[in-house]
Amino acid sequence: DAGVTQSPTHLIKTRGQQVTLRCSPKSGHDTVSWYQQALGQGPQFIFQYYEEEERQRGNFPDRFSGHQFPNYSSELNVNALLLGDSALYLCASSLGRAKNIQYFGAGTRLSVL
Amino acid sequence: KQEVTQIPAALSVPEGENLVLNCSFTDSAIYNLQWFRQDPGKGLTSLLLIQSSQREQTSGRLNASLDKSSGRSTLYIAASQPGDSATYLCAVGLSTSGTYKYIFGTGTRLKVLA
Repeated sequence: DAGVTQSPTHLIKTRGQQVTLRCSPKSGHDTVSWYQQALGQGPQFIFQYYEEEERQRGNFPDRFSGHQFPNYSSELNVNALLLGDSALYLCASSLGRAKNIQYFGAGTRLSVL
Repeated sequence: KQEVTQIPAALSVPEGENLVLNCSFTDSAIYNLQWFRQDPGKGLTSLLLIQSSQREQTSGRLNASLDKSSGRSTLYIAASQPGDSATYLCAVGLSTSGTYKYIFGTGTRLKVLA
């Protein structure tokens, strides 16, 4: 049973570029949440996708957007990259939106130069 | 607004010591609390999950307690080993507008010396 998988593992971009990160949820899960973890900080909630819609967003600008596909996989897109977007991006999946344990992937390390 | 604080930020101990990591949160309306381990540059490994109705959970040398009324949790590590060296993150699970999410602390960076 595959767990949560994220791709790519590492990514290097320059300021102003756009990036897409991908996440496949754990088998049987239908909800995907994205978190950003800056160096030395705890992860921060970006948004959650359920039934192909964004259900809730944390304190992140519109440059951060996402998508969920019918197979429940998800993408995180970041436009107009800033140096401060450099972080580990974690995807977590769960069954349903409410009160269920989230399982985390290994993350994508994004470096913005 | 829920805030999660972890103390100490860093800890260095000799091998074999028993140690306690602390986590505090400002709003007691949580569904659960989870402790994670994170190795450098890696993702999160779940250690223990305590539901809001529970007081503690144990797994091997790890024991986590939860006191919702005081907004505190502790992670107790017995007989520490160099392999325990990692960052330990505390996260409270809460639901807002029907969406369940985690609020994380900033972590305790643990180094166990051989």
